[in-house]
Amino acid sequence: GQQVMQIPQYQHVQEGEDFTTYCNSSTTLSNIQWYKQRPGGHPVFLIQLVKSGEVKKQKRLTFQFGEAKKNSSLHITATQTTDVGTYFCAGPPAGNKLTFGGGTRVLVKP
Amino acid sequence: SAVISQKPSRDICQRGTSLTIQCQVDSQVTMMFWYRQQPGQSLTLIATANQGSEATYESGFVIDKFPISRPNLTFSTLTVSNMSPEDSSIYLCSVGRAGGYYGYTFGSGTRLTVV
Repeated sequence: GQQVMQIPQYQHVQEGEDFTTYCNSSTTLSNIQWYKQRPGGHPVFLIQLVKSGEVKKQKRLTFQFGEAKKNSSLHITATQTTDVGTYFCAGPPAGNKLTFGGGTRVLVKP
Repeated sequence: SAVISQKPSRDICQRGTSLTIQCQVDSQVTMMFWYRQQPGQSLTLIATANQGSEATYESGFVIDKFPISRPNLTFSTLTVSNMSPEDSSIYLCSVGRAGGYYGYTFGSGTRLTVV
């Protein structure tokens, strides 16, 4: 079945530094979505990528969808303490059901 | 996007008992889902709540353990039956538009502890 893998599982980042988290699917995705879950909170939708090679930016966050639509990345520049949380990618392989990756847990060192 | 009210936010239950979790949405939604998230883990889909018909369960989840109701397009319940400590987890409902586009909205979650 559909599997979505995320790396790294944990990311310890010095405040002000950049980092990237990666998402890889075993199958082609019609779209990929990214969510952020703050500690103690619930997942919140960040963005959706649909087109092959698509790149979208949200302030310091840059999202990219691979050409083959089987991988994606999230790059955060100048990390801030507000970036703490777990970032999940999720893809619907078919139909409407999301399949979540394992998540990247981000800790920021001030 | 839709606004979801999920209740209760947390509960501590005795083993062998059942807990019903409610999700109320402020607008009619086609798709509603129930997830489980164990501490420090990702989200696992339990079932899709279908309006007017039986829920569709994912592998490893059965109706006898997790009965779901969805009487209309704005409301659903998930019951965790005959609980054991292994059921301790966060349970979340989620809604989305057909096709999943524009993202899914999650309820605030129910943190369940079974003792």
